[in-house]
Amino acid sequence: EVQLVQSGAEVKKPGESLRISCKTSGYSFTSYWIGWVRQMPGKGLEWMGIIYPGDSDTRYSPSFLGQVTISVDKSITTAHLQWSNLKASDTAMYYCARVYSSSTKSLDYWGQGTLVTVSS
Amino acid sequence: DIQMTQSPSTLSASVGDRVTITCRASQSISAWLAWYQQKPGKAPKLLIYDASNLESGVPSRFSGSRSGTEFTLIISSLQPDDFATYYCQQYNTYSVTFGGGTKVEIK
Repeated sequence: EVQLVQSGAEVKKPGESLRISCKTSGYSFTSYWIGWVRQMPGKGLEWMGIIYPGDSDTRYSPSFLGQVTISVDKSITTAHLQWSNLKASDTAMYYCARVYSSSTKSLDYWGQGTLVTVSS
Repeated sequence: DIQMTQSPSTLSASVGDRVTITCRASQSISAWLAWYQQKPGKAPKLLIYDASNLESGVPSRFSGSRSGTEFTLIISSLQPDDFATYYCQQYNTYSVTFGGGTKVEIK
């Protein structure tokens, strides 16, 4: 069974750093891209970027380039999303999801989401 | 970036109604489009990929179609479990974008 299990909710202060995780199981981790999606409170879905665990090829949405870092740890079949300088505007739910293929980039399995709250 | 204009933003319908949601791409994306359903407090769920392919396990009352740069999600007979928000997603390139969403409410 394919599963993506995300780390728990976080409460941070502006300027702090943070890394959230997406632990995968049930499929070949290095054979599928993983994407990250942001959903701000009461708003729609925003594509942040994707990473191919096989070679760590990473593609960021222009809106998120330089704002976050996407990485993987193949040894523990886990993807990460990282901030070095959080802002209040980073408050959102963050989802990881498996990308169906490099051509059909639909998201077929999703994590449960990690709520990040940034507040002074 | 390719812009996805989704309409309507809100739709009121009754159980048994035929529901149509549309996404228009700002340029050609071939058939590289997916549809998702999201319920409050839950992750989105894939319904349709490559414009018209039904994801495994999704009821056949859901269907998708394409006409040029206009894409349509149809729910043939709305069921109580279908009241949710629906999003389209284009993936013509690695610069993926979502539509703004359509909330399907009970009439």
